[in-house]
Amino acid sequence: DGGITQSPKYLFRKEGQNVTLSCEQNLNHDAMYWYRQDPGQGLRLIYYSQIVNDFQKGDIAEGYSVSREKKESFPLTVTSAQKNPTAFYLCASREGRHTDTQYFGPGTRLTVL
Amino acid sequence: KQEVTQIPAALSVPEGENLVLNCSFTDSAIYNLQWFRQDPGKGLTSLLLIQSSQREQTSGRLNASLDKSSGRSTLYIAASQPGDSATYLCAVRGGGGADGLTFGKGTHLIIQP
Repeated sequence: DGGITQSPKYLFRKEGQNVTLSCEQNLNHDAMYWYRQDPGQGLRLIYYSQIVNDFQKGDIAEGYSVSREKKESFPLTVTSAQKNPTAFYLCASREGRHTDTQYFGPGTRLTVL
Repeated sequence: KQEVTQIPAALSVPEGENLVLNCSFTDSAIYNLQWFRQDPGKGLTSLLLIQSSQREQTSGRLNASLDKSSGRSTLYIAASQPGDSATYLCAVRGGGGADGLTFGKGTHLIIQP
C-alpha cells in the first residue's frame, strides 16, 4: 500500500520535554510538509521541504525543528520552546513534477500534560 | 498576507439536496486551489485541485469552480448523501516561490438521512 504514515497516533508529553513526531511516505514524493491544526482554526504551515537536506520555515516555525535526511522521512521535533504545543499535527507530501495535489497522513494528536 | 474564508461555517441539509460551499481568498495571485474533506479525528482527503489557469474541475458528484480575479471558489455537491457529512476545507497555494497551503477554517456539513 502506498501512502503516508504518521506515528504515534496519540502522544502525551510533560511540559519541558522535547518530542519527535514521525512522518514516512512511500509515494516517492519530493516535497513534504508539516501542518498544525487547532480547534476552530484552519491548518497552519510549520515547515516544508522540497528536496532532501533542505527545508524552509512556514508561518509558525518557532519552537519546532525538522530534518530531511532521506526522501521518505520528514520528522518533526516539538521543543520545550513551543509555548502551546497541544494540537493535531498533520504531515503531507506532494509529487511535484506531474501533479500539485497534496496528500495527507492520518495525523498525530499531541497533548501536553 | 493571504487569508482564506469559508462560508458558511456549518450547514445541515436533508439528503438528496444539491448544495454549494463557498471559499474566498484575499490575494488573487495564487498558483492553485485545492478542496479537501476531513472526517472527525482524521487526516485530509484531497477532493479537487484547480490550477490558476483553470475555471473548474469535476469529480463524480463534485464540481469546483475558480474565479481568480474575484478571489472566489465554490464547491458544488450534487444529490447529497449522509456519507458526505464531514468538514470541507479550501486551501490555496500562493504564487511566487513560496510553497505550502493557506487554509480556511472549513465548512462543517451534516446531511440528514
